[in-house]
Amino acid sequence: RKEVEQDPGPFNVPEGATVAFNCTYSNSASQSFFWYRQDCRKEPKLLMSVYSSGNEDGRFTAQLNRASQYISLLIRDSKLSDSATYLCVVWVKAAGNKLTFGGGTRVLVKP
Amino acid sequence: EPEVTQTPSHQVTQMGQEVILRCVPISNHLYFYWYRQILGQKVEFLVSFYNNEISEKSEIFDDQFSVERPDGSNFTLKIRSTKLEDSAMYFCAIKGGSQRGDTQYFGPGTRLTVL
Repeated sequence: RKEVEQDPGPFNVPEGATVAFNCTYSNSASQSFFWYRQDCRKEPKLLMSVYSSGNEDGRFTAQLNRASQYISLLIRDSKLSDSATYLCVVWVKAAGNKLTFGGGTRVLVKP
Repeated sequence: EPEVTQTPSHQVTQMGQEVILRCVPISNHLYFYWYRQILGQKVEFLVSFYNNEISEKSEIFDDQFSVERPDGSNFTLKIRSTKLEDSAMYFCAIKGGSQRGDTQYFGPGTRLTVL
């Protein structure tokens, strides 16, 4: 089983619509969770950390479900500029300092 | 958000040649990381570097790879004898300041093409 698994998409989203997608992780000792955004051939950019109680940053909402070992990202009122690949990232303290990445979910927002 | 730059942005080399990729954080940091991303694949951890020593490395980081901080500011990744399969984007990352967990910020990357 992959350590961090994501639906690769693409999710084709009309501008202004809401899109949500999940990520599952296999290591129950995972302690920190993040969503990064990556544009084509660019570096991953931190979108938001994901906290146990769930958190919101503007149009973006992240949820963590430790029991089922998944995290989710919801984007409301999608903008054309939201088109990107969204990377689910986990950190396990016992594994040292490294981040473990999922393969990414591609989102295409269309007018 | 901490800033880090990387040079060169694109490196083309012949198989078997040595390459050095550079990472320069804007401010002082103790934790450095190298990741790579082969085209169309996920980002993979290579090595972490803390207080001038390797703290962890992955299976990818074999004897062909080395890291060092030669002058206290630059952080380099050296590939001694490049192979075709080393072609990838290489990202340097630094650890964020007060973020919980292990927030890392990535440089713009170096695209390495091995011919």
